[in-house]
Amino acid sequence: EDQVTQSPEALRLQEGESSSLNCSYTVSGLRGLFWYRQDPGKGPEFLFTLYSAGEEKEKERLKATLTKKESFLHITAPKPEDSATYLCAVQAVPSSSHAGGTSYGKLTFGQGTILTVHP
Amino acid sequence: EPEVTQTPSHQVTQMGQEVILRCVPISNHLYFYWYRQILGQKVEFLVSFYNNEISEKSEIFDDQFSVERPDGSNFTLKIRSTKLEDSAMYFCASSEYRLGGYTFGSGTRLTVV
Repeated sequence: EDQVTQSPEALRLQEGESSSLNCSYTVSGLRGLFWYRQDPGKGPEFLFTLYSAGEEKEKERLKATLTKKESFLHITAPKPEDSATYLCAVQAVPSSSHAGGTSYGKLTFGQGTILTVHP
Repeated sequence: EPEVTQTPSHQVTQMGQEVILRCVPISNHLYFYWYRQILGQKVEFLVSFYNNEISEKSEIFDDQFSVERPDGSNFTLKIRSTKLEDSAMYFCASSEYRLGGYTFGSGTRLTVV
């Protein structure tokens, strides 16, 4: 069974204080690892997809990296508007599901890291 | 930017009642999903739908749940007889391709009383 564990559960930073969020995963075969941002009462908003170990993606103050067992989301000089819950999810290589069919891209999520950036 | 639209944003229902949650996926997308998030817990997969049939479902998606694409634009989730434990945020999502990331809607908060 695919599993995703994120740490820390919550992170408080001062504006400008850089840090990293961790996502550890176990999956039968990794098709992709996804980072989403979720604001309170809203749906997950796509940030990045990583497909293979060593890959990196950047967007503004965020950089995501991937190894064979974990992914990091680095936040450089965060601002208060970066405050949100950051979700990590994995998608497995298609295989027979428990129902006997073929996986159609199900995402398995971690519990998220709640990031608060104080001005 | 195209978005996935969900209605209503909040629904309150009595235990045992049927509810239908509605979604309008992005127009050129072919794959559709429902996820739910119980307060304080992980986002959980419910079901995926492609070519007018269910392609995968989780253990949560039992006989009380059904999905339908009635008219080529809407995608609905029906819960036949709601239970207190069905209270959650329900998210619809769609994607253009079978594998890869997808776009989520803003969710419907279902409260069963």
